[in-house]
Amino acid sequence: AQRVTQPEKLLSVFKGAPVELKCNYSYSGSPELFWYVQYSRQRLQLLLRHISRESIKGFTADLNKGETSFHLKKPFAQEEDSAMYYCALWAEYGNKLVFGAGTILRVKS
Amino acid sequence: DVKVTQSSRYLVKRTGEKVFLECVQDMDHENMFWYRQDPGLGLRLIYFSYDVKMKEKGDIPEGYSVSREKKERFSLILESASTNQTSMYLCATWRGNSPLHFGNGTRLTVT
Repeated sequence: AQRVTQPEKLLSVFKGAPVELKCNYSYSGSPELFWYVQYSRQRLQLLLRHISRESIKGFTADLNKGETSFHLKKPFAQEEDSAMYYCALWAEYGNKLVFGAGTILRVKS
Repeated sequence: DVKVTQSSRYLVKRTGEKVFLECVQDMDHENMFWYRQDPGLGLRLIYFSYDVKMKEKGDIPEGYSVSREKKERFSLILESASTNQTSMYLCATWRGNSPLHFGNGTRLTVT
């Protein structure tokens, strides 16, 4: 069965420090992975997807099939990055998006 | 820009009441989803629909049903609300190669 694991419920860093939000997945097929973000009082929105291989708001994520990981990284955190981050896997079987439990990122000044 | 509108932002209902959560989208997307969002559990799929009058159970369908009579509207129904259904409910739409588009959510409290 498909599963997404985000081991940290809360990650607290200082402004300017590097950030890494961890995501591991379990899926027998070819995975399609996403990071979604929810800022305070805003709707959940797509941050980035692995097939795009782009950097959004300074964030990048690389799919590592050997380690079954899709960690989200940013070299220098900013206060406006504080939000809830969800890693998600598109499961072709069942045609649905499976989410991890989410990680709250808190960037302190 | 895709617009997904959930009719209520906050809802308070009593145990045993029948509850309707409405979701409307304006982009002609075939696929619509209902998730619930709980701290520590993330988003869990309740039901989804890939066409009018079509529905599929998600991971936690118990205690819920859905209705999709028109393409733009997807309703989530709690036949007899219970306190463990207190949660944030998120509607989302999707088509083809695009990402999921979410509504603002409905925070339901069952007392």
